[in-house]
Order: sequence, then C-alpha cells, then structure tokens
Amino acid sequence: EAQVTQNPRYLITVTGKKLTVTCSQNMNHEYMSWYRQDPGLGLRQIYYSMNVEVTDKGDVPEGYKVSRKEKRNFPLILESPSPNQTSLYFCASSDTLGQGDWNEKLFFGSGTQLSVL
Amino acid sequence: QQQVKQSPQSLIVQKGGISIINCAYENTAFDYFPWYQQFPGKGPALLIAIRPDVSEKKEGRFTISFNKSAKQFSLHIMDSQPGDSATYFCAACEEGGSEKLVFGKGTKLTVNP
Repeated sequence: EAQVTQNPRYLITVTGKKLTVTCSQNMNHEYMSWYRQDPGLGLRQIYYSMNVEVTDKGDVPEGYKVSRKEKRNFPLILESPSPNQTSLYFCASSDTLGQGDWNEKLFFGSGTQLSVL
Repeated sequence: QQQVKQSPQSLIVQKGGISIINCAYENTAFDYFPWYQQFPGKGPALLIAIRPDVSEKKEGRFTISFNKSAKQFSLHIMDSQPGDSATYFCAACEEGGSEKLVFGKGTKLTVNP
C-alpha cells in the first residue's frame, strides 16, 4: 500500500530533550516536506526537500533540523524542544511538486502529536 | 503575513444543504489553488484543484469557483452529507513553486443529519 509513515504517533517529552520524528514513504517520491498544524493557524511548512541531500527552509524552520540521506526517509529533528513546539506534525511527499505538473498532489502521513512539557 | 485568508473558521450545515468556504489571496503570482480535506486523526488529502485559466472546476458534488480579478476562490459542496464533516484547507502557490505551497487556516465543517 502506497503510504507515508510517521513515527511515533504520539510523543510526550520534556524541554531540552532531543527527539527525532521519523518519516518514510514507499512511493519513490523525490519531494518531501514537514508541516506543523496548530489550532487557528492551519498548516505551516517547516522544511522541505526536493531530492536527496537537498533541503530548504519553509515558513517556520526555527528550532528544527532535517536530513535527507535517502530518498525514502526524511526525519525531523528537534535538538532542544521547547513548549512552543507542542503541535501536530505532518510529513508529506509528492512525485510532482515543483515540476509544474497539473496533477500536483501531496500525500500526507497520519501525523505525530507532540507535547513538550 | 497571511498569504491565503480562509473563511469561515467553522461552518454548520444541514444534510442536503450547500456548504461554501471562501479563500482570498494577495499574491498575483499564485498559479495553483488546491483544496485539501482532513478527517479527524488523519492527514490532509487532496480534494480538488484549479488553475487561474478556468473560472470553475467541478468534481462530483465538489466545485471550485475562481475569480481572478477579485483574487478569490471558493469551495462549494452540493448536497452536503454527514460524511463530508471534516476540516477543509485551501492553498496556493506560484507557478513552478508548488514546493512552497501555503495553506489557509482551515474551516471545520459539520454536516448535521
């Protein structure tokens, strides 16, 4: 089944304790991205990657890191989490974004609910 | 600066009614306008999308209306069903820049039986 898999589904941590949220897609997509969803703020892009070893900042990159060593994986790293990073995080992938394709479509994972105490 | 303004924040409609969600934008370089649908506990999924060269696109009960001069676009859900209850996001991006898709804040739609 074609899917974007995020782990963990839920995570509670404390301020300053480094954590990684994993994201993997099995569709051989070149493009991957991370979003955070907050009530009343919608979806905001954190980082994106057009291909392996190519990453770029989105609208809210502060406090986050990403890496793209393999095509299928795009982990999100919080080196020193703070309470304002409590949010619902989504990973997404696509095989067409950035190419001007009429059928551009993002495939989203099921989300990771992060709470930083 | 909010690039795509979405309204209303929440919407309650009776079964069989028409649901209308509106979005407005300022960036005239925006060239692609998708709508995403999100059910509770799930990630968003593409519902329907439009480009500025057409004023309307219809897929089943879902229609996007686009007004380029007013820089507005809207989603119409005809014959709304309880199964349509979800959060809807409009989005936009520039030509060739869809890797930086920007989303509206979302509209929570509730369709009562």
